[in-house]
Amino acid sequence: NAGVTQTPKFRILKIGQSMTLQCTQDMNHNYMYWYRQDPGMGLKLIYYSVGAGITDKGEVPNGYNVSRSTTEDFPLRLELAAPSQTSVYFCASSYSLSGRGNYGYTFGSGTRLTVV
Amino acid sequence: KNEVEQSPQNLTAQEGEFITINCSYSVGISALHWLQQHPGGGIVSLFMLSSGKKKHGRLIATINIQEKHSSLHITASHPRDSAVYICAAGGGADGLTFGKGTHLIIQP
Repeated sequence: NAGVTQTPKFRILKIGQSMTLQCTQDMNHNYMYWYRQDPGMGLKLIYYSVGAGITDKGEVPNGYNVSRSTTEDFPLRLELAAPSQTSVYFCASSYSLSGRGNYGYTFGSGTRLTVV
Repeated sequence: KNEVEQSPQNLTAQEGEFITINCSYSVGISALHWLQQHPGGGIVSLFMLSSGKKKHGRLIATINIQEKHSSLHITASHPRDSAVYICAAGGGADGLTFGKGTHLIIQP
């Protein structure tokens, strides 16, 4: 069981470039999340999804886009990268039972992104 | 918006000591999570609590819903326990609110 798989693990981008961070889970979890972790700060929610075809903004969505075409995949797109997007990004998944509760929180190993 | 505060921010202790990390949150929640992050590593879920107490090996987590407070205890601490411990609150579909983490170092 792979859990939550994120790629790439490291990436350096130039200002203005674009890229997609990939996230796949094999646990049939309905909820998926993208967080960013900055030094000295708690993780912040970028976007989340409660199921295929449904996405919603979190606390810090500006400069990012997501899609959820399947239960397994939840890619995060960075358009026009800026130095402020230098961070460590974590994908996570969890499941609910009949829309109640939130269980089995599982994190990917993270992507360390530097924008120069 | 929920605010999650952890204390202490940094903790250095000797091997074998009993460790306590505290977490307070501002808004009533359905669940409180304790997570562990090793340097340069991923994040692992240790506990999910909605009431009372849970134990796993040398780790114990407690929660007081009325006081909006949780504690993580480590008994007989070991250098391999050195990590960042993160408290996170929430239980809905819109993710968790995270504390800034407690950096724990256990010296041999």
